[in-house]
Amino acid sequence: DTEVTQTPKHLVMGMTNKKSLKCEQHMGHRAMYWYKQKAKKPPELMFVYSYEKLSINESVPSRFSPECPNSSLLNLHLHALQPEDSALYLCASSQDWGSYEQYFGPGTRLTVT
Amino acid sequence: KNEVEQSPQNLTAQEGEFITINCSYSVGISALHWLQQHPGGGIVSLFMLSSGKKKHGRLIATINIQEKHSSLHITASHPRDSAVYICAVYSGGGADGLTFGKGTHLIIQP
Repeated sequence: DTEVTQTPKHLVMGMTNKKSLKCEQHMGHRAMYWYKQKAKKPPELMFVYSYEKLSINESVPSRFSPECPNSSLLNLHLHALQPEDSALYLCASSQDWGSYEQYFGPGTRLTVT
Repeated sequence: KNEVEQSPQNLTAQEGEFITINCSYSVGISALHWLQQHPGGGIVSLFMLSSGKKKHGRLIATINIQEKHSSLHITASHPRDSAVYICAVYSGGGADGLTFGKGTHLIIQP
């Protein structure tokens, strides 16, 4: 199984809502990533978890809160988002953090109204 | 921080043509990735390479570490190859993830 799954596929939320994005992999990978991608732009790294511990937080606003409950699961909790946070949110995983091939999920298309 | 440049930004070609997309970077790397993204879709990893050349089907990726340059070639291009191709590098060490190029938008016309 070389698949990274993400749910939901699409999400529309108001600025006062709280929602969560979910990412799952069963490849035994120990590194998992959240990326944000705006239209016609490359992905931007938000968070990296390595062995279930947060390794990189690229100065992401606190309205985005990651969580790694176990080695297969990665969540991104959303609260009080702004319309400019509308984007495609991609999850990826790799065998370990570093020079390893990353496997990407299909993404969650988020719209903040 | 590594600067990753891709060229061309946009490329339109006819079915069957040989396609080359280039990627150059400014600082030594541990690995370079070529990724494919279809419109509105997720990202598929095509290659990860740190030296030499790799081939998968009609796709060939090469890297020249001394020149800090990589190329992605598509032979016998097909309309289903139409996508954005992204080069991303991992420089290694410290708090660093992948650094992405801006992508090459490829359209193959029948």
